Amino acid sequence: DTAVSQTPKYLVTQMGNDKSIKCEQNLGHDTMYWYKQDSKKFLKIMFSYNNKELIINETVPNRFSPKSPDKAHLNLHINSLELGDSAVYFCASSLLGAGGPEAFFGQGTRLTVV
Amino acid sequence: SQKIEQNSEALNIQEGKTATLTCNYTNYSPAYLQWYRQDPGRGPVFLLLIRENEKEKRKERLKVTFDTTLKQSLFHITASQPADSATYLCAPTGNQFYFGTGTSLTVIP
Repeated sequence: DTAVSQTPKYLVTQMGNDKSIKCEQNLGHDTMYWYKQDSKKFLKIMFSYNNKELIINETVPNRFSPKSPDKAHLNLHINSLELGDSAVYFCASSLLGAGGPEAFFGQGTRLTVV
Repeated sequence: SQKIEQNSEALNIQEGKTATLTCNYTNYSPAYLQWYRQDPGRGPVFLLLIRENEKEKRKERLKVTFDTTLKQSLFHITASQPADSATYLCAPTGNQFYFGTGTSLTVIP
């Protein structure tokens, strides 16, 4: 069983389109994250979310929005895609306050905007 | 704002030697410091976590130290093997999960 799964693995789309990336975790974790990894391999946090609080990195454009239908899912919606949005997006989850915030990551979604 | 730096973007060492990676952070007081490994095309994988009240942690060939005064963590891989070649990321963790810039380690046979 995959602990954190993301779909799709690859996404190629045109500028201006709206797209979503789905993420699901079966670990019973209470906190989920979205990260962006650019071409220089720097892993930058975009959002963290638990059932009480959404924390948004202030540098993230409001074209990006997380949607959590339930505790096991945190999807990423992106509106009006731009060339600079091309990157690998990782979803992760952790269990805060219970022994340590070790995070489990999905396999990533490579987004290419053309 | 917090800043997390890891020594040299790339580190090459001979097989069998000890690799030492450095993580320095500023403007931050993390409760934990974590180390992750990332292989090409994959997500980061958790390796070790050390708490702010711990000085050292070991797991098999891995050793991590944490100096909250210096705001620094050292990550050691002893008896390194080519299979240890990967990018290693540190993550001083408090209310949020920020990662360092990463160090690409290559172990040469």
